[in-house]
Amino acid sequence: NAGVTQTPKFQVLKTGQSMTLQCAQDMNHEYMSWYRQDPGMGLRLIHYSVGAGITDQGEVPNGYNVSRSTTEDFPLRLLSAAPSQTSVYFCASRPMGRLNEKLFFGSGTQLSVL
Amino acid sequence: DAKTTQPTSMDCAEGRAANLPCNHSTISGNEYVYWYRQIHSQGPQYIIHGLKNNETNEMASLIITEDRKSSTLILPHATLRDTAVYYCIVSPLGTNAGKSTFGDGTTLTVKP
Repeated sequence: NAGVTQTPKFQVLKTGQSMTLQCAQDMNHEYMSWYRQDPGMGLRLIHYSVGAGITDQGEVPNGYNVSRSTTEDFPLRLLSAAPSQTSVYFCASRPMGRLNEKLFFGSGTQLSVL
Repeated sequence: DAKTTQPTSMDCAEGRAANLPCNHSTISGNEYVYWYRQIHSQGPQYIIHGLKNNETNEMASLIITEDRKSSTLILPHATLRDTAVYYCIVSPLGTNAGKSTFGDGTTLTVKP
């Protein structure tokens, strides 16, 4: 299993540009989520999903959209990038309804918005 | 989901036990305590979790108080490679899991 795969690893955007951060997992996990981590800070939940077709907002959802058309993929869209969205983004997944529901994280996407 | 409170930073001597506390006074009966750590800027890594009994695995031990309002992660023989940010979170299992929110964690520095 590849686990949780995030692409790209690095991205530089100009203010106002749009882009999609990709996240895929091959563990058949129902739960997937996106976090952002600003320098020196902890992880803050952006959006999460408990299954295909189901998404919900986390702590800091403004400026981000998500969709979950398949179990495997959970892309994060920035419609109009702002410098405040400069951060490291982590995608995570975990199984649900079983005993060991630990989160598996991707390696992150470092995003800079100029 | 219940919130957690952790000290901002801690130091530990190499080879000694590292005891990292976490307060979760508003934890609900169906919520588990999870610990993760993040080394440098890598994605966080799962360490251990528990409901009300003490747990031990190859990485660490988890001690949960009887009233479940606090817990302690124990790294029995800390090494330099254990220097990381440690996160304590609480989350229910199953279809009601919902959000898994992290705080700012504890930065553990293991010194030679």
